[in-house]
Amino acid sequence: QLQLQESGSGLVKPSQTLSLTCAVSGGSLSSGAYSWNWIRQPPGKGLEWIGYVYHSGGTYYNPSLKSRVTTSVDRSNNQFSLKLTSATAADTAVYYCARGALLSVTGTTYNTFDIWGQGTMVTVSS
Amino acid sequence: QSELTQPPSVSGAPGQRVTISCTGSNSNIGAGYDVHWYQQLPGTAPRLLIFGNINRPSGVPDRFSGSKSGTSASLAITGLQAEDEADYYCQSYDSSLRGVIFGGGTKLTVL
Repeated sequence: QLQLQESGSGLVKPSQTLSLTCAVSGGSLSSGAYSWNWIRQPPGKGLEWIGYVYHSGGTYYNPSLKSRVTTSVDRSNNQFSLKLTSATAADTAVYYCARGALLSVTGTTYNTFDIWGQGTMVTVSS
Repeated sequence: QSELTQPPSVSGAPGQRVTISCTGSNSNIGAGYDVHWYQQLPGTAPRLLIFGNINRPSGVPDRFSGSKSGTSASLAITGLQAEDEADYYCQSYDSSLRGVIFGGGTKLTVL
């Protein structure tokens, strides 16, 4: 059973870079046509998709965050990472990593988030 | 302000049926993009509940069902149980925003 586990700094100062890593266990990040995603949830609020990276290194980001986001993959350590520059208090949230999978039913394929990490809280504060 | 609108809260007694709506527009649900639903129990990560508008992953009880029509989608829960008390989120894709979008979430209270 594939599992995801986020790790990184829980406290980031304003204007600094938020950095997180998601470790993949129980399977290889390089197998299959999966995307590896980051999604966040500010306290008491809803979910916001940040972006994804493929094991090939290809990326796609939420246009509203694109100028500040970088995702990358480390195949040797079976993990992928998120960097968010110029952090502000508005970036305070629980950050989740999630696998984007193509689920097929009767010949039709759907792209959805089928496995999630437990989440890690990041606070941006001086 | 989410591109997908959900009621902030719904409630029902054990055994009853509740529905949660997810209203979008012609750049997301109305454009034919699929809707997926997630359940988030208190203090936990979201869990995939319905994918491709109507399909349940293995392990999800058939008390949960999804539907889609026009620019909206709905999640129905029958035979409500105390363990269903959670936040529910719809998710789709928006061609104008060029990215994945989520609804604002609906808190289900089992009375």
